Formats: sequence, C-alpha cells, structure tokens
Amino acid sequence: SAVISQKPSRDICQRGTSLTIQCQVDSQVTMMFWYRQQPGQSLTLIATANQGSEATYESGFVIDKFPISRPNLTFSTLTVSNMSPEDSSIYLCSVDHGQTPFYEQYFGPGTRLTVT
Amino acid sequence: ILNVEQSPQSLHVQEGDSTNFTCSFPSSNFYALHWYRWETAKSPEALFVMTLNGDEKKKGRISATLNTKEGYSYLYIKGSQPEDSATYLCAFDRSYMNYGGSQGNLIFGKGTKLSVKP
Repeated sequence: SAVISQKPSRDICQRGTSLTIQCQVDSQVTMMFWYRQQPGQSLTLIATANQGSEATYESGFVIDKFPISRPNLTFSTLTVSNMSPEDSSIYLCSVDHGQTPFYEQYFGPGTRLTVT
Repeated sequence: ILNVEQSPQSLHVQEGDSTNFTCSFPSSNFYALHWYRWETAKSPEALFVMTLNGDEKKKGRISATLNTKEGYSYLYIKGSQPEDSATYLCAFDRSYMNYGGSQGNLIFGKGTKLSVKP
C-alpha cells in the first residue's frame, strides 16, 4: 500500500486569494491524481499529474484555475487560484496501487477548504 | 454522461443490525466497480474491486455482490458496529476508455452515509 500525506489538512481562505495544496507519497509513483468533493456532490477527478509532463485536466477544469506541479515521483501540488465560495470543497490526491489490469486507488486524508 | 447512483443517501441503524445499500451504474462497457469506506477526517479506504458478473467479495463483516448485466452492486454489513460509521462510496471504473493509460478513471457516486448507534 501507499501512504499519502497532504498539507494543509484544512484552511479558511478569502475569496480572490490562492491556496497551494501539497501531496507527498512514501513511494515513487508514475501518476498522481487530484480530486475534489464539493458539499453534497460526488468525488470528482480534476486532473492527472504525470512526472515530467503537463497535467491532463478533466472536462470542466482548466490549468489557469487549478495549476498542478509534479517535480518528482513522490510529490505534487495543486493550486486553487482566485478562489470563490464555490471552491469550498475537500481536495484529495491519490495514487494507483496494484497490477494491470485492475488497480486500487489510495487516497490522502484530504484538504478541507472553506472560502469566505 | 456516466451516472453512478447510490441509495440510500443516509442510513441510521442500531448496533448489531445488518444493513445493505445499493450502487447503480451503466451496464454497458463494464470494466470494474470499486467500493470505498470514508471516515470523517481520514483517507478513503479501498474495500473491494469487483470485476466479474456474479462476483461476491467479503472482508470481515462486510461483503459485496455485483450484477453487471443489470448494472448494480450491493454492499452488506452484518452486525453493524459503531466503528462502521462512515460514508460508503462506489466508483465505476471507466478504464475501458483507455484514457491515455490512466487508471484514475473512477466515476464516484455521492455515497451512503451510515451511522451506527451503540
């Protein structure tokens, strides 16, 4: 299994500001994933981060709003830019674990963001 | 648009009760279905990855079944305990789309929030 930590665990931010969330994994992984869960909604994939290349964003998510860095095989950051109250969510990073063709996903404990 | 539905939205049971909840998903292009348990302030924990029609998997008092032809999965908890209180998520695995090789292809339901009273 993979152990994943995230910082910060929670934050309260003012609208218009930006927050960078860090994700650290205890082993090297090729891909890392960023999800969010807005209140009352499903956990939704924001983007996939490959080391050494630009992140791949899901429909409805753009790089200007959610820039991602992936400087090495154990670390990634997600920035939530120019925040509005609609960005209040739980943000989680995750990695795959397992063998082809069926993988489990391991998640970090999440960052609980409130935008006022 | 892929839609994954879970019911009920929430459930309150007494310690010792057995309970079950449902996950509905598209029956076409099935690849795998994942179940997770998510306790407040903790990481979602993988329970099962289910891949074959008729699959039944078990982990302690928790078991799950899968019907890919009709597009549903049941999760059962036998003799619920307060420590079972959590949100149970199912996720439809869309890896069949060969999405650039990514395995982050999970479409989640909104979850069933289970509360077990002592």
